[in-house]
Amino acid sequence: KQEVTQIPAALSVPEGENLVLNCSFTDSAIYNLQWFRQDPGKGLTSLLLIQSSQREQTSGRLNASLDKSSGRSTLYIAASQPGDSATYLCAEGGWRAGNMLTFGGGTRLMVKP
Amino acid sequence: DTGVSQNPRHKITKRGQNVTFRCDPISEHNRLYWYRQTLGQGPEFLTYFQNEAQLEKSRLLSDRFSAERPKGSFSTLEIQRTEQGDSAMYLCATTWGSGNTIYFGEGSWLTVV
Repeated sequence: KQEVTQIPAALSVPEGENLVLNCSFTDSAIYNLQWFRQDPGKGLTSLLLIQSSQREQTSGRLNASLDKSSGRSTLYIAASQPGDSATYLCAEGGWRAGNMLTFGGGTRLMVKP
Repeated sequence: DTGVSQNPRHKITKRGQNVTFRCDPISEHNRLYWYRQTLGQGPEFLTYFQNEAQLEKSRLLSDRFSAERPKGSFSTLEIQRTEQGDSAMYLCATTWGSGNTIYFGEGSWLTVV
């Protein structure tokens, strides 16, 4: 059974700081890995999708990396802003069930002004 | 707004009642998933449709749960004889083909009292 773990579970940083969120997964034969943002009481918004053949993806201030051999992915957020406060979830896309996603528990990020 | 619509957004029901949630996907998306999320946890996979065919069901989906996707368009998730443990947010997600970004709806909150 695939497992996805996110560390830390919660993080509080001052505005402007660069930060790294970690995700580890047990299934090295993943199809892809996706990072999501979730605001309280809301659905998930896709941030970045990394295919298994790729090493990283970038979008604006966000950069996600993928290392299949070590079973790790990181989400780097540059120059954090209060509007970045949310829960960040990583999810491994498997080969079964239409590439169904297995999620980590998320990292709750608070960026203080 | 991702384009995936879920209704109702909130439902409070008495234990033992039946409830039904509806998901309207982005029109060209042939793959549709249902997930369940409880507070502080990442979403858990429930079931997967490709067009109108239900191709995978999680063990979490007890016989009180049924999902349909007639004509490969909208989908419904019905829970019969609700229990307090069913209280959660039910998320619908859709995509096209394989390995592409998965888009989530805003979710349907269920509270069983």
